[in-house]
Formats: sequence, structure tokens, C-alpha cells
Amino acid sequence: AQSVTQLDSHVSVSEGTPVLLRCNYSSSYSPSLFWYVQHPNKGLQLLLKYTSAATLVKGINGFEAEFKKSETSFHLTKPSAHMSDAAEYFCVVTSGNKLVFGAGTILRVKS
Amino acid sequence: GAGVSQSPRYKVAKRGQDVALRCDPISGHVSLFWYQQALGQGPEFLTYFQNEAQLDKSGLPSDRFFAERPEGSVSTLKIQRTQQEDSAVYLCASIKGEGSGYTFGSGTRLTVV
Repeated sequence: AQSVTQLDSHVSVSEGTPVLLRCNYSSSYSPSLFWYVQHPNKGLQLLLKYTSAATLVKGINGFEAEFKKSETSFHLTKPSAHMSDAAEYFCVVTSGNKLVFGAGTILRVKS
Repeated sequence: GAGVSQSPRYKVAKRGQDVALRCDPISGHVSLFWYQQALGQGPEFLTYFQNEAQLDKSGLPSDRFFAERPEGSVSTLKIQRTQQEDSAVYLCASIKGEGSGYTFGSGTRLTVV
């Protein structure tokens, strides 16, 4: 069965510093992987997706993620955090037609 | 519509009460999904429709949960005899077809008191 593990439940960074949100996946076949963001009281928004094309995926708002098969990882990064990036982030893998979500990482951005 | 619309936005139910949650997907989107997001957790799959056919209901936690999509567009998730453990945000998502991106609604926050 497909699953994802988000290695940090909370991450705190200062504004202007890099962001790293870690995700490892488990899949019996070549997976489709996503990162979603959820701002308080808002719906889930797709940041980026990997579907076996380029291993480095660029998303919205300056985020990107690199698919590393050897490490079964799909970490999310951003060079410089902005206050508006404060939210909860979910790493997601497909399992058939379903999406399987990680437990989420809450990103806090300090001014 | 432009997005996936869910109603009501918030629902408070007394334990034992029946509730119905509505999802209006993007027009033309074939597939519709329901997810349950408990406090502090990621969303978990409940059920999936392709047009009016419910193809997977393996995530429904008990027989108190029932979903339908009779005309292949609007869907209703019904919970009978609500319990406190049913308190969660219920999310609906739709996709145009297999391999398309998912669009999520803002969810219905159900609180059972």
C-alpha cells in the first residue's frame, strides 16, 4: 500500500531563510506525489506535483520539490520564507484513484 | 461553478442527530471524492464516485455513513445518529478525469456535541 511519512510535525523558520519540509514515501510502483498547502479555514491548494517527468518539480509561490527514488524522498523547499507561507503542508501520494495524505507539517514563519 | 462548493460551512449537531453535507463539484468533473479530516491530522479517504456510480466506499468508518450522487453531479454525505468521534472537517474534491488535478472544496466543519 502507498503511504507517506512527514518527518516533522512542526517547522519554524525566520522570514527570509530557507524552508525544508521533509517527506518520505512508500510505494510499490512509480508514484505520483503532490504537496498541498492548507491555510487556516481555507481549502487545500495544490503547490506542485510529480508524475515521473522531471525529478525537480517547480510549483507555485517559489516552492519546489525533488523526487529522489534512491532515498524514497520528496522534500519540499523554498529559498526564502515569507510570512504568508505560514500554513500546514501535506505530502500526498496516489493510491489508485485515491489520495493518501501525510499527517501534515505546520510551518511557522517568524518575523 | 468556478470551484468546488460545500455546504454548510459549519454544522453543529447534537449526538444522535442525522446530518447531510452537500458537495457541488466543478461542472463536467466526472469523479468526486469525500475525505474526512480530524483535528490535527491529514485528510483520510471516505468514498469515491465516477459519475453516479460509487466505485469505492472502503473508507466509510461505519454503516452510519452513506453517500450518494444520483445524477452524477451534486453529492450528499449523510451521517446517521452522529457520535462525538464524527467531529471533523469533511472535504470534497472533484477531478475531470483520471490523471487530472484534484480541486478541493473548503470543507464542512462538523461538531457533534
